[in-house]
Amino acid sequence: AQSVTQPDIHITVSEGASLELRCNYSYGATPYLFWYVQSPGQGLQLLLKYFSGDTLVQGIKGFEAEFKRSQSSFNLRKPSVHWSDAAEYFCAATWDGNKLVFGAGTILRVKS
Amino acid sequence: DAGVIQSPRHEVTEMGQEVTLRCKPISGHNSLFWYRQTMMRGLELLIYFNNNVPIDDSGMPEDRFSAKMPNASFSTLKIQPSEPRDSAVYFCASSLGDTDTQYFGPGTRLTVL
Repeated sequence: AQSVTQPDIHITVSEGASLELRCNYSYGATPYLFWYVQSPGQGLQLLLKYFSGDTLVQGIKGFEAEFKRSQSSFNLRKPSVHWSDAAEYFCAATWDGNKLVFGAGTILRVKS
Repeated sequence: DAGVIQSPRHEVTEMGQEVTLRCKPISGHNSLFWYRQTMMRGLELLIYFNNNVPIDDSGMPEDRFSAKMPNASFSTLKIQPSEPRDSAVYFCASSLGDTDTQYFGPGTRLTVL
């Protein structure tokens, strides 16, 4: 079955440190890939997406993600984390252009 | 743009009662999605519509759940009768169509006592 895996349930980083959140998808055709962020009590906000082309994609709030076909991965990165980045991050994929399959999410804590 | 609008934001009801959740998609979007978020199962797609027509309802948990989209600007998700295990956050999302980005509403937090 098609699936998305986020191996880290919780991550804690210090403010100003770099961040990498991992995401892997199941084998098969390359899906369209997304990263969303959810703040407590809020809906999901799109950070960035990958459909094709350049494998390094830039998003909002200083985030970027790199698609690696050989590793079936789409990891999210930020060079310097701010306290306001504390939230839950979801990786998602669609193989048919409609049905989004979400990972379990990674909760990011930022230490001051 | 107002974004996707959902109502109510919070709903508390008793087991056996009917619950209706509402969604107004972004104007001009022709695909609408209903998702449910729980601690146990995470985010899962329940049903989606394209041009007001239900395309895939394989995620609807059981017959107690039904969804309608009478026009391009309104959709409902109904649970009748509700059960405590239906407690979750229900999200509505809309998009311009195939392969387009889905934009999510703020969600409805449902608690069934």
